[in-house]
Amino acid sequence: NAGVMQNPRHLVRRRGQEARLRCSPVKGHSHVYWYRQLPEEGLKFMVYLQKENIIDESGMPKERFSAEFPKEGPSILRIQQVVRGDSAAYFCASARQLNTEAFFGQGTRLTVV
Amino acid sequence: GQQVMQIPQYQHVQEGEDFTTYCNSSTTLSNIQWYKQRPGGHPVFLIQLVKSGEVKKQKRLTFQFGEAKKNSSLHITATQTTDVGTYFCAGANNNAGKSTFGDGTTLTVKP
Repeated sequence: NAGVMQNPRHLVRRRGQEARLRCSPVKGHSHVYWYRQLPEEGLKFMVYLQKENIIDESGMPKERFSAEFPKEGPSILRIQQVVRGDSAAYFCASARQLNTEAFFGQGTRLTVV
Repeated sequence: GQQVMQIPQYQHVQEGEDFTTYCNSSTTLSNIQWYKQRPGGHPVFLIQLVKSGEVKKQKRLTFQFGEAKKNSSLHITATQTTDVGTYFCAGANNNAGKSTFGDGTTLTVKP
């Protein structure tokens, strides 16, 4: 019974490159959330998706960031033309229903050099 | 928009002392969840409270949901070194479509 799987665990990108973060939710979960966490800080909501639909992207910067949760395959958080300020831990969480227990993945630690 | 505030930001205690973190919402919540994140780890779900005035216990942890469903607390009795980490509350307003996390309270325990 696998939990939320995120990969890669660590990602290093040069400024200007693209970062693609993957999240496979718990089997049977159709709700996926992405959060960003800076060192010593809290979890900042980015986007909430259900299968093939973006429900709430109010926490995601309008430019360079995009997210998808296709019918088949993992959810993807994509950051184009990364900058140093994008360095953070990105956590994905999944839930069976809205606002029920969320299971978090181990996160992807992105470092932009 | 909905805001969830947690206090204190940091708490340092001697092993065996009690610890409490408080969570306050700017709006009435439909439910509140608590998570624990160990240093270097990921958030792990602890509990969800739904009813006004609800109190739930998990061994040395006691969770309360306020009567007005706008605040909550987590109390740990006789802390142990295994309790170290950051405790987050997450408040849900069904109209908002998602839970809003507080900034967390980071607990350190001195043996």
